[in-house]
Amino acid sequence: GAVVSQHPSRVICKSGTSVKIECRSLDFQATTMFWYRQFPKKSLMLMATSNEGSKATYEQGVEKDKFLINHASLTLSTLTVTSAHPEDSSFYICSARDALRRSTFNEQFFGPGTRLTVL
Amino acid sequence: GIQVEQSPPDLILQEGANSTLRCNFSDSVNNLQWFHQNPWGQLINLFYIPSGTKQNGRLSATTVATERYSLLYISSSQTTDSGVYFCAVGKGGNTPLVFGKGTRLSVIA
Repeated sequence: GAVVSQHPSRVICKSGTSVKIECRSLDFQATTMFWYRQFPKKSLMLMATSNEGSKATYEQGVEKDKFLINHASLTLSTLTVTSAHPEDSSFYICSARDALRRSTFNEQFFGPGTRLTVL
Repeated sequence: GIQVEQSPPDLILQEGANSTLRCNFSDSVNNLQWFHQNPWGQLINLFYIPSGTKQNGRLSATTVATERYSLLYISSSQTTDSGVYFCAVGKGGNTPLVFGKGTRLSVIA
């Protein structure tokens, strides 16, 4: 149980185009999902918190108009990178918590990640 | 915010050796997780261990919450153990994890 999927796993796009990344909780519902970004040989940094039915909250330095987040259902959050540029090339990972999972109430489950390359 | 420090940053081991990775954090937490990031980037969840001790095969972990540190033990290391190990902590509930910078482990045959 507590599986999180992401789609696509890898995407290559041209500079100036938009890319949508999906994060799904497959066997549980999540009112909150988190989006992280990881640059090569670096750690994971929180980008934003996705809240079902309300606006996302963004970390300092993350442009909300560039990284659009939509959490339209309890099992799906999407991250859209608008007008992507080469500096947006990175590994994007989402996570969610199964609040009904009593044994590990606070545990976060991570998706497999999406590697974005902008040419 | 919470600060997370991992040590050592890099570690090279001979196959069969044992190792201890450390994670120090600056505030009380309700969530602590250890991950192994594989070559494809996927985070493999090793332990959810906000306190106490757990063991899974050759791996074990101990978190002393009152002293704000956690240890990950790898025994009889294998080349497949190579990769980056991350410690991440959080306040729990609908709050995110804060990651350390990781320990890059290389196990050589």
